[in-house]
Amino acid sequence: QKEVEQDPGPLSVPEGAIVSLNCTYSNSAFQYFMWYRQYSRKGPELLMYTYSSGNKEDGRFTAQVDKSSKYISLFIRDSQPSDSATYLCAIGNQAGTALIFGKGTTLSVSS
Amino acid sequence: DTAVSQTPKYLVTQMGNDKSIKCEQNLGHDTMYWYKQDSKKFLKIMFSYNNKELIINETVPNRFSPKSPDKAHLNLHINSLELGDSAVYFCASSQGGQSGYTFGSGTRLTVV
Repeated sequence: QKEVEQDPGPLSVPEGAIVSLNCTYSNSAFQYFMWYRQYSRKGPELLMYTYSSGNKEDGRFTAQVDKSSKYISLFIRDSQPSDSATYLCAIGNQAGTALIFGKGTTLSVSS
Repeated sequence: DTAVSQTPKYLVTQMGNDKSIKCEQNLGHDTMYWYKQDSKKFLKIMFSYNNKELIINETVPNRFSPKSPDKAHLNLHINSLELGDSAVYFCASSQGGQSGYTFGSGTRLTVV
């Protein structure tokens, strides 16, 4: 089983839709959970950072971590065409180990 | 001011050549990384340096050799390039092991 699983999509939604992006992971020792957004031909940029379980909200974006299910989610409310990008989940364990990335979900929001 | 800058942005070269990619960060971070992103967008760690010391060295052919002259710079030298080395190589930095990473814009390497 891979350490992080993420459905690559693609996912196409109309403007204004609520988008749900998800990842599952296998190792319960992971404690750091992040979402990165990557526009075409650009580097990934950090969108959301969560330590341990719980929810975190930032504007239209909400990140959720369910450690009991080893499941992380990113919700985008009122999606905009500018949200069209690849979204990568990333998980981390402890200092000295690098973040492990999911394969990314490609999202397209049409106006 | 670019936080993590990589040069060159594009690199097209023939099989068998040797090439280098340079990375510099002006964020004062103590840890730097090289990731490889394949055509399916999968990001895989290659190397990590903390204050010029190699701390992560994944299963990467020894044709790839990182070098960190100081904590603001991490370069990647690749010998005897192969077709399979074609990918986008990203440099990243972080303060501490598990804080968020700041990525460069990538170097798109094409081996022909």
